[in-house]
Amino acid sequence: DAGVIQSPRHEVTEMGQEVTLRCKPISGHNSLFWYRQTMMRGLELLIYFNNNVPIDDSGMPEDRFSAKMPNASFSTLKIQPSEPRDSAVYFCASSLIVFSSYNEQFFGPGTRLTVL
Amino acid sequence: AQTVTQSQPEMSVQEAETVTLSCTYDTSESDYYLFWYKQPPSRQMILVIRQEAYKQQNATENRFSVNFQKAAKSFSLKISDSQLGDAAMYFCASANYGGATNKLIFGTGTLLAVQP
Repeated sequence: DAGVIQSPRHEVTEMGQEVTLRCKPISGHNSLFWYRQTMMRGLELLIYFNNNVPIDDSGMPEDRFSAKMPNASFSTLKIQPSEPRDSAVYFCASSLIVFSSYNEQFFGPGTRLTVL
Repeated sequence: AQTVTQSQPEMSVQEAETVTLSCTYDTSESDYYLFWYKQPPSRQMILVIRQEAYKQQNATENRFSVNFQKAAKSFSLKISDSQLGDAAMYFCASANYGGATNKLIFGTGTLLAVQP
């Protein structure tokens, strides 16, 4: 298995532009997580999906951020319009959730976003 | 709410020596998991070791072991026979047990340097 795939690995954009980050979870996994890593705030959970349905988006910083999971093999995180404070590394992780059992999360390599 | 605290922003160890990274946590749940993740310069998040809170025995994985003190809510990581490849950022994390999700709550990380 190729693991969790994220694209692009690096993204540089200018303030005000729309940014779309992509994630392909591990085949067969039913949960997907988006995390953001910054020096100031560390690793934060932004949103997670279970069976393609958003379960908790309380970590999404503001309305400029949106996430979708149209099917079990693809998710996007969109920032529109982007701001310099959005610069961070964004991780996607997936997991096979089975009730009352251990569910390891497997992380993608991350996307480093720089907003100028 | 769950919180995870790592009070050591940076640590240093000589190659072949032993080092202990500290972590404390707070949760109102009775069943939960604790984890140590390693993040090398490649940014990849790698699970090092995990501990189920209901297990009294401390987890071990080769040169990595934990000291889990449930009453004190302490979860330290011991790395024995340190190697140059152990140099990385180490994150302590917690997650509730079972249910429909396993949200990971991360500490702020400890940057470990290994001196040759």
